[in-house]
Amino acid sequence: QSALTQPASVSGSPGQSITISCTGTSSDVGSYNLVSWYQQHPGKAPKLMIYEVSKRPSGVSNRFSGSKSGNTASLTISGLQAEDEADYYCCSYAGSSTLVVFGGGTKLTVL
Amino acid sequence: EVQLVESGGGLVQPGGSLRLSCAASGFTFSSYSMNWVRQAPGKGLEWVSYISSSSSTIYYADSVKGRFTISRDNAKNSLYLQMNSLRDEDTAVYYCARDMCGSYCNAFDIWGQGTMVTVSS
Repeated sequence: QSALTQPASVSGSPGQSITISCTGTSSDVGSYNLVSWYQQHPGKAPKLMIYEVSKRPSGVSNRFSGSKSGNTASLTISGLQAEDEADYYCCSYAGSSTLVVFGGGTKLTVL
Repeated sequence: EVQLVESGGGLVQPGGSLRLSCAASGFTFSSYSMNWVRQAPGKGLEWVSYISSSSSTIYYADSVKGRFTISRDNAKNSLYLQMNSLRDEDTAVYYCARDMCGSYCNAFDIWGQGTMVTVSS
């Protein structure tokens, strides 16, 4: 099972909005609403930011939102802040043979 | 405090074995499915294995199938990963992660701090 495709890097200025795409196939992202997004700062464990495409866990800022269209999921961060600078990974359920597939990760730089 | 703490990592020669442990606290461990996820140095996340709350359902990534075995002991609030026939490409930080839903919803809400496994001669 191939990894989901994410842009290697995105950037934005404080206060702006950015969107990170995550492209899969009809066998994973396109077939299930079980897409999650994780934020990882250097040397730290990942943190769940979005699950089931668009749900936010308790404690996660409403500046983070998720969506999906066809085989592509997206994470949008509005009102960019310096602390949002991190790596972001998408993740999708991929059926009972493979179960889980991650994206390659996107490095977000806040200019 | 809800917490996962991994242990058991270290340096091992190619072909060797290692057993990782993950101690859970602060929540009812037996009610949640668990996963192992790894991250090679400078690389992205890679899902390794899943085990349901009762151990009745287990899955592995193709890259470790036949070499790794996931297990759990709900009485000891512990998750394990037995790694055999280790290869250079297994070098990574290994995280245990809880699925926030009782069964499975692909939402890993609690992660350990990770334990480093280095496979090298």
